[in-house]
Amino acid sequence: DAGVIQSPRHEVTEMGQEVTLRCKPISGHDYLFWYRQTMMRGLELLIYFNNNVPIDDSGMPEDRFSAKMPNASFSTLKIQPSEPRDSAVYFCASRSDSHMNTEAFFGQGTRLTVV
Amino acid sequence: AQSVAQPEDQVNVAEGNPLTVKCTYSVSGNPYLFWYVQYPNRGLQFLLKYITGDNLVKGSYGFEAEFNKSQTSFHLKKPSALVSDSALYFCAARWGNKLTFGGGTRVLVKP
Repeated sequence: DAGVIQSPRHEVTEMGQEVTLRCKPISGHDYLFWYRQTMMRGLELLIYFNNNVPIDDSGMPEDRFSAKMPNASFSTLKIQPSEPRDSAVYFCASRSDSHMNTEAFFGQGTRLTVV
Repeated sequence: AQSVAQPEDQVNVAEGNPLTVKCTYSVSGNPYLFWYVQYPNRGLQFLLKYITGDNLVKGSYGFEAEFNKSQTSFHLKKPSALVSDSALYFCAARWGNKLTFGGGTRVLVKP
């Protein structure tokens, strides 16, 4: 398996524009997580899905952020409109629930810069 | 609240010397514990985990971690550090389905 795949790797956009980040989890994994990494706040869990259903979105900072998982192999994180303070590295991770003990596998991340 | 703490922002060690990166977690049930490493411009790579059983866990690249329930700690160790071990290390705890990370510790191994 190629691991968790995120696109794009880098995104530079102007304030007010819509940004869509994409994630393909590892095949067969039941859980998908979106994290944001910044110097100030470290790694924050934004939202996670189980079997394509959003379970906990309490980490989503504002209504400008939304996430979807239309099928088991694809998820998006959308920011509309984007603001400079959204600049961060966004990670997607997936995990299997076939054994309760397994670790999460992370993608390479998308570095978002909002100017 | 459930939390993970890494008290050191940075650890400096000479190559060949033992390396220890500290981690403690809040007392709330029995979380699963993990260590991840992040190299520049890369994602997080899994190193090792503690679920149950032996308190000394061995992982990738010669790393190991010691679980101490009474101190609610899960320190990462390596007997002999390499320059290539220089990276950002994250401790994490999982309560239920949520994985909570510490703030990270930057390790610098000098030749």
